[in-house]
Amino acid sequence: QKEVEQNSGPLSVPEGAIASLNCTYSDRGSQSFFWYRQYSGKSPELIMSIYSNGDKEDGRFTAQLNKASQYVSLLIRDSQPSDSATYLCAVVETSGSRLTFGEGTQLTVNP
Amino acid sequence: EPEVTQTPSHQVTQMGQEVILRCVPISNHLYFYWYRQILGQKVEFLVSFYNNEISEKSEIFDDQFSVERPDGSNFTLKIRSTKLEDSAMYFCASRTNEKLFFGSGTQLSVL
Repeated sequence: QKEVEQNSGPLSVPEGAIASLNCTYSDRGSQSFFWYRQYSGKSPELIMSIYSNGDKEDGRFTAQLNKASQYVSLLIRDSQPSDSATYLCAVVETSGSRLTFGEGTQLTVNP
Repeated sequence: EPEVTQTPSHQVTQMGQEVILRCVPISNHLYFYWYRQILGQKVEFLVSFYNNEISEKSEIFDDQFSVERPDGSNFTLKIRSTKLEDSAMYFCASRTNEKLFFGSGTQLSVL
């Protein structure tokens, strides 16, 4: 069973802090990795994609990928209360195939 | 900005009834998907559709489910005989460059 695992939440950080969200995946052949944000009762919203080892930065968000360790993470700098949501890690195992989601990590940013 | 649209936003039905959930994917996207999310659970893949046929389906997508692209814009999910356990949020998505973009979802309640 190919799986995507996320660190169990909920995660609570103070406003302005760095939030760190982690994800591991079981299929070594996975090629594409995504972070989605989901507010309660809403649909997943794509915030980051990463395809090669290393870091990718977009504003306050940094995605990190380590294919050898089968690990992908998301850092949110200067966390804001509006960042409070569930963050979903998602993996495409082979090109063109399904996107498989983790359970999600609920993040709360306290003012 | 183009978006995936879904109708209806809410659907209430009696067990055993047929429902059709409708989606209009983003116009230049070629891959279409249905996912579902039972309350409090992970986003689960149902089916992917490309070139007017199913390209991949999950174990959930059994004979009571079907998908269709009846014209150049709409993409539908039919559930023939709904069960209580079909109650969930159903998300349509379309894909470009490995990135999936989700519609706002249809909340299906089976009574």
